Amino acid sequence: DSGVTQTPKHLITATGQRVTLRCSPRSGDLSVYWYQQSLDQGLQFLIQYYNGEERAKGNILERFSAQQFPDLHSELNLSSLELGDSALYFCASSVGQGGNEQYFGPGTRLTVT
Amino acid sequence: SQQGEEDPQALSIQEGENATMNCSYKTSINNLQWYRQNSGRGLVHLILIRSNEREKHSGRLRVTLDTSKKSSSLLITASRAADTASYFCATDAPNSGYALNFGKGTSLLVTP
Repeated sequence: DSGVTQTPKHLITATGQRVTLRCSPRSGDLSVYWYQQSLDQGLQFLIQYYNGEERAKGNILERFSAQQFPDLHSELNLSSLELGDSALYFCASSVGQGGNEQYFGPGTRLTVT
Repeated sequence: SQQGEEDPQALSIQEGENATMNCSYKTSINNLQWYRQNSGRGLVHLILIRSNEREKHSGRLRVTLDTSKKSSSLLITASRAADTASYFCATDAPNSGYALNFGKGTSLLVTP
């Protein structure tokens, strides 16, 4: 158990809908990263927050947004969902701004039908 | 975009044998990390090696890093059936916020 929690575990929704994925980092970790894992793209970095501020952006679509709250939990919002958004979404946390071990949550499996 | 490339894509060995996986990357890095993923589950952190280190050990794991060749290797000694999983290398760099760039992974099958 990495200490990173993600909810929900599974999500099935229809195209065009909007969902919110939630992540709680390990106690003491200030950085939260979001990654997407799909069969064709592999593991791709989406976005990083550090202590409430956006720190780095990767291959995140404009339909996706995220935020980190004062209690350090983070949410990833996916809107106008398409079939191609079906993937595993992972959250990871690390103690500093970066350059340390990242600990991954169990992931949320999103299926868009 | 994928930074790391693992080789081989798949590896099948018997219990007790050693497994070696290689990773090559393209640009300068700060750290290189190895992760394990069991079928569709979360990634488990195995080991982090910094760019100024050449070798690191953790239990049955040995990681080497050659920054001149932009490559790393992961050796699992005396493998067990429980080592069956996908193994990913991931690199980070300060100019990308230390976000991890993953390779496509090596799928390891250890048979009894």
